[in-house]
Amino acid sequence: DTAVSQTPKYLVTQMGNDKSIKCEQNLGHDTMYWYKQDSKKFLKIMFSYNNKELIINETVPNRFSPKSPDKAHLNLHINSLELGDSAVYFCASSRTDTDTQYFGPGTRLTVL
Amino acid sequence: DAKTTQPPSMDCAEGRAANLPCNHSTISGNEYVYWYRQIHSQGPQYIIHGLKNNETNEMASLIITEDRKSSTLILPHATLRDTAVYYCIVRVAYDYKLSFGAGTTVTVRA
Repeated sequence: DTAVSQTPKYLVTQMGNDKSIKCEQNLGHDTMYWYKQDSKKFLKIMFSYNNKELIINETVPNRFSPKSPDKAHLNLHINSLELGDSAVYFCASSRTDTDTQYFGPGTRLTVL
Repeated sequence: DAKTTQPPSMDCAEGRAANLPCNHSTISGNEYVYWYRQIHSQGPQYIIHGLKNNETNEMASLIITEDRKSSTLILPHATLRDTAVYYCIVRVAYDYKLSFGAGTTVTVRA
């Protein structure tokens, strides 16, 4: 009965590869987010989707492309992976775009 | 930019109350105070939030000063599982995003 789930939990890949991270929420929320936590442990928002529509893109390189097939899912596709993309990526959801956000367990991406 | 100031770390004895301070001297009237925590290798966990009144839930209590320039998160009976980084976040009511600072690393000791 996990509220916000992410797959995979760990992802190790080579520079230049393309990879995707999946997120699903079963809370019936309308808004979903992607956050990035770098090696210095600071959490920063990347994207926000409301009802399958992108509402925020926080100056993230266009190699990162979120895709929302339905309100319960928000996937993150990353093209041409770089060393600096290594981080933990968290998905979150909220009932509306101003409501309390609930986070998933994170995906640790390591680019070699 | 984080709008809050928190001590970088603090220790607490198991079974005692943990009082976590947060300064937000530039808070505006329409900004809420949110608290999240992040246990090692897990996603941030929502704890509580408030506007100007004190709030209590099953996890913690939030005490906001009358001038709203500071607040205290109280964990009434700290356990070892409360060891985590605690984030105090000021958020405009209509804002979509949470801006996390460095937080306070709380270590509960037996």
